[in-house]
Amino acid sequence: GEEVAQTPKHLVRGEGQKAKLYCAPIKGHSYVFWYQQVLKNEFKFLISFQNENVFDETGMPKERFSAKCLPNSPCSLEIQATKLEDSAVYFCASSQSTSNYGYTFGSGTRLTVV
Amino acid sequence: AQRVTQPEKLLSVFKGAPVELKCNYSYSGSPELFWYVQYSRQRLQLLLRHISRESIKGFTADLNKGETSFHLKKPFAQEEDSAMYYCALSNFGNEKLTFGTGTRLTIIP
Repeated sequence: GEEVAQTPKHLVRGEGQKAKLYCAPIKGHSYVFWYQQVLKNEFKFLISFQNENVFDETGMPKERFSAKCLPNSPCSLEIQATKLEDSAVYFCASSQSTSNYGYTFGSGTRLTVV
Repeated sequence: AQRVTQPEKLLSVFKGAPVELKCNYSYSGSPELFWYVQYSRQRLQLLLRHISRESIKGFTADLNKGETSFHLKKPFAQEEDSAMYYCALSNFGNEKLTFGTGTRLTIIP
């Protein structure tokens, strides 16, 4: 489709529970990006994929966060043992072969850890 | 390290008045600069990118390498321009975008 689809829109987890977020990029887009936005502040880059390969993971917390983009499946971002500070809106974006085209963003998943 | 600064968190402008949203960056190299906009209850969307030299919805932005700026301008503000605006930078090759903290533009009728 022509939209980046993120599910769920909202997710509430108790501290210590697992959270899994999904992103379906636009068909034909080679790159997928995950960003975290805390309290409507700046977007923090987490990880990017080129097709199913990790392209840049310099923003991923070393512990508890993992992500995948498998063929014929939505991409996923998983947080093991969530903490209160993980509460944020997680945005996925996809782009064509280079970032010169800019990204197309999903509408985000709001994760609330209670 | 690359950095994008948007000095104004909030900006209010009267309808019909000129608009300028400031963006400065620091980067050693040739960056790609973008403006993204988020209207109320909508997703973040690309407004314009410096490489294409476009004018979208009356907005333009010129990359000034000497001043390391990429200010967004519009000669006559319209009410529908009220939104959150983010300046962003990428370096070709690693593809990730570095965003500024955004400016909330409010157009006063």
